[in-house]
Parts: sequence; C-alpha cells; structure tokens
Amino acid sequence: AQTVTQSQPEMSVQEAETVTLSCTYDTSESDYYLFWYKQPPSRQMILVIRQEAYKQQNATENRFSVNFQKAAKSFSLKISDSQLGDAAMYFCAYRGGNTPLVFGKGTRLSVIA
Amino acid sequence: DAGVIQSPRHEVTEMGQEVTLRCKPISGHNSLFWYRQTMMRGLELLIYFNNNVPIDDSGMPEDRFSAKMPNASFSTLKIQPSEPRDSAVYFCASSLARGTGTEAFFGQGTRLTVV
Repeated sequence: AQTVTQSQPEMSVQEAETVTLSCTYDTSESDYYLFWYKQPPSRQMILVIRQEAYKQQNATENRFSVNFQKAAKSFSLKISDSQLGDAAMYFCAYRGGNTPLVFGKGTRLSVIA
Repeated sequence: DAGVIQSPRHEVTEMGQEVTLRCKPISGHNSLFWYRQTMMRGLELLIYFNNNVPIDDSGMPEDRFSAKMPNASFSTLKIQPSEPRDSAVYFCASSLARGTGTEAFFGQGTRLTVV
C-alpha cells in the first residue's frame, strides 16, 4: 500500500521569507500524481499544487513550487515570500492507478509577522 | 458549480443515537470519497465510490458505519449507534475517475460531536 510521510509536524516562517515543507512517499507504481493541499482554520481543503510523476519539470503556482525527486520519492513544497494568509495545515497527498488520495499527517505552518 | 456540498456543517448528538451525514458531489464527477479527520489519526479514507458503486470500504471502522450512494448526485454516511470516539470532522470529496490526474474537491466537512 502507498504511504505518505510528512516528518515535520510544525514549521514556522517569518513573513516575506521562504519555507520548505517536506514529504516522502512509498509506491511501486510508475504513473501517479502528487498534491499539496492547504487547510486553513476554516477547515476547507484547498488544492495548492499538483505534480504529474511523468513530468520532470517541477510544478509552480505563483509563490508555490515543488521539488519533485522521483528516484528519491520526495516531494517538497516551497513557499516564497510567505504571507500571513499562508498560515495553515499543509497536507501532502498521493494518487495512483484507480486509487483515492492517500494523505500524510500534515504540517502546521505558522507565519510570524 | 457550487462545489461539494455537505450537510449538516455541525452535528451534536448523544451517544447511542443515529447520525446521518449527507453529501452532494460536483455534477459530472463519478468518484466520491468519505474521509474522517482527527488530531490523532489525521485524514483517513473511510470508503470510496466509482459510478455509485462502493469500491473499497476497508477504512470503515466497524459495522456501526455504513455508506450509500443511491445516485450520482447524493451520498450518505450513517453511524448507528454513535459513540463518543466517533467525534471528528467528516469530509466528502469528489473527482473524475478517469486516469489519476484529477484532484479531489472537498466539501466543507461536518464536525460531529458525540456526547
């Protein structure tokens, strides 16, 4: 079974600085997708960014980018120019084959003004 | 589209009572998922449906939990009888089933408290 591991339960960053959240996963599949979801205090799950495993180029969405290392099964999220509104729980997720999303335990990000 | 709609947003019930959570997926989506979120266990998949058919219910905690999807636009998750340890936020999500590239869209969740 696929597993997703987020080794940082909590992280903090100064406003306007850059922070990287870590994620590793375990799979024997070659075709899959990886996602980062954000969950603010409102508890709404919001998709931040996604990466197709067959693409070598790292995905970017404005201030958010990923470092996808397929051989190492690593998928980190970099947030640049952090803003107060970035404070939230961040979940890494995996989806392969016809399976549903498998989530990591999450990383709580605090942004310090 | 209004997104995935869950009801109720909050539910407080007494131990032993029946609880029914409801979900309307995004129109056109043919996969539907029920997740449970707790501090201790994070986001756990309870069950998912493809084209209204349950595919994997191995995450359902025990026989007290049941889920149905009578048509493409409606699903329920029922707990009978409820217990305090069932207190959690329950999320419904939907996606397109084809391929693996489509992300799941989540409802706002139902916060269940069993006292």
